[in-house]
Amino acid sequence: GDSVTQMEGPVTLSEEAFLTINCTYTATGYPSLFWYVQYPGEGLQLLLKATKADDKGSNKGFEATYRKETTSFHLEKGSVQVSDSAVYFCALSDSAGGTSYGKLTFGQGTILTVHP
Amino acid sequence: DGGITQSPKYLFRKEGQNVTLSCEQNLNHDAMYWYRQDPGQGLRLIYYSQIVNDFQKGDIAEGYSVSREKKESFPLTVTSAQKNPTAFYLCASSIFSGQGNSPLHFGNGTRLTVT
Repeated sequence: GDSVTQMEGPVTLSEEAFLTINCTYTATGYPSLFWYVQYPGEGLQLLLKATKADDKGSNKGFEATYRKETTSFHLEKGSVQVSDSAVYFCALSDSAGGTSYGKLTFGQGTILTVHP
Repeated sequence: DGGITQSPKYLFRKEGQNVTLSCEQNLNHDAMYWYRQDPGQGLRLIYYSQIVNDFQKGDIAEGYSVSREKKESFPLTVTSAQKNPTAFYLCASSIFSGQGNSPLHFGNGTRLTVT
């Protein structure tokens, strides 16, 4: 079945440091890939997405590129801020056969803490 | 503003009691979902519904039940048969897309504690 593996956390950085959170996946068909962010006590919010190979999703300074050859979708940001402290989830939606209804398979989440 | 409302935010129950979590959306989305979140395990799908009066089991449906009588509402009942009910429960919705690329919109969750 489908699966998503994220790098182990937690990740602790100083403000303005470079961020990478690794994400690799296993899926049949041609999945869409997503990054979601969860702030304390809240639900998840979509951060960015990519729907086909070599697409780059970007939002709020975060980027991720859909790499089919390495089955990866790593999240990057050039300069993190304290306000970026949150839990980040990588997820995939399998679209094999066009029958997907938005069911997502999530990674286990990576806790990011940014210090001033 | 459109969105998803989950209530209550915190819920406490005694072991052996059934409890129902509310989820309402005014986004006019076709599909709705219930996920369970446990520390270090990500989110796991409990049930989902693509249209009114129809729903499907997810990966961990045992001990849970749902109904979808209205497009806007998708309540989740945690029954006494659920062995480890204490968790953070998230409701989500999405438009139907045959291409599988519609993102989910999440509510702010209900934290259930069973003692």
